[in-house]
Amino acid sequence: QSVLTQPPSVSGAPGQRVTISCTGSSFNIGAGYDAQWYQQLPGTAPKLLIYGNNNRPSGVPDRFSGSKSGTSASLAITGLQAEDEADYYCQSYDSSLSGWVFGGGTKLTVL
Amino acid sequence: EVQLVESGGGLVQPGGSLRLSCAASGFTFNNYAMSWVRQAPGKGLEWVSSISGRGGSTYYADSVKGRFTISRDNSKNTLYLQMSSLRAEDTAIYYCAKGGARDMATTTTFDYWGQGTLVTVSS
Repeated sequence: QSVLTQPPSVSGAPGQRVTISCTGSSFNIGAGYDAQWYQQLPGTAPKLLIYGNNNRPSGVPDRFSGSKSGTSASLAITGLQAEDEADYYCQSYDSSLSGWVFGGGTKLTVL
Repeated sequence: EVQLVESGGGLVQPGGSLRLSCAASGFTFNNYAMSWVRQAPGKGLEWVSSISGRGGSTYYADSVKGRFTISRDNSKNTLYLQMSSLRAEDTAIYYCAKGGARDMATTTTFDYWGQGTLVTVSS
């Protein structure tokens, strides 16, 4: 059971917009700690996609965006492409655990 | 270009020990905190341990505290994870990840990852 809760799967057709939610608590996202998002393509290592809730590292397309509100964070992907099919993980810091935590992951399927 | 290359994984019996290494290049190693994150087969990511850039501060997940020891040799640009009293539930791919600053902080991100090394604990 992950401290941060994500839907197991989402799907969308090419060109569509999808969002992935990440629900935390008053010990992590709700406490003001930043949310990060990572993309893991099949058979590869995770890659940082969003940091500090809504910032993109250099090289990440602006089709990817992040937001945060209350105890939740969200990742939005617009103009969905086949290459976006991957697992996506949110991450934050948890004060009750005194450690860094990940969501359970969401598998994005491009129809 | 940042490169992180893990090694040392393999098959080990329950109760056994193993030491993982992560060779880093492409950045000033001692200027950045480093971490280990693992992923059990078919499962999600789990933070395991972190160490500050100078090695003076270490952090552990409750699941490994007292059994794993993180360390670094800044003269060799290498990160280590000494694992002992291994259990079946420690079976996972272990990733080395670079932090965004010298010290671990609540805002720390894992901005570069290695390709991982597989640890299998089984009799």
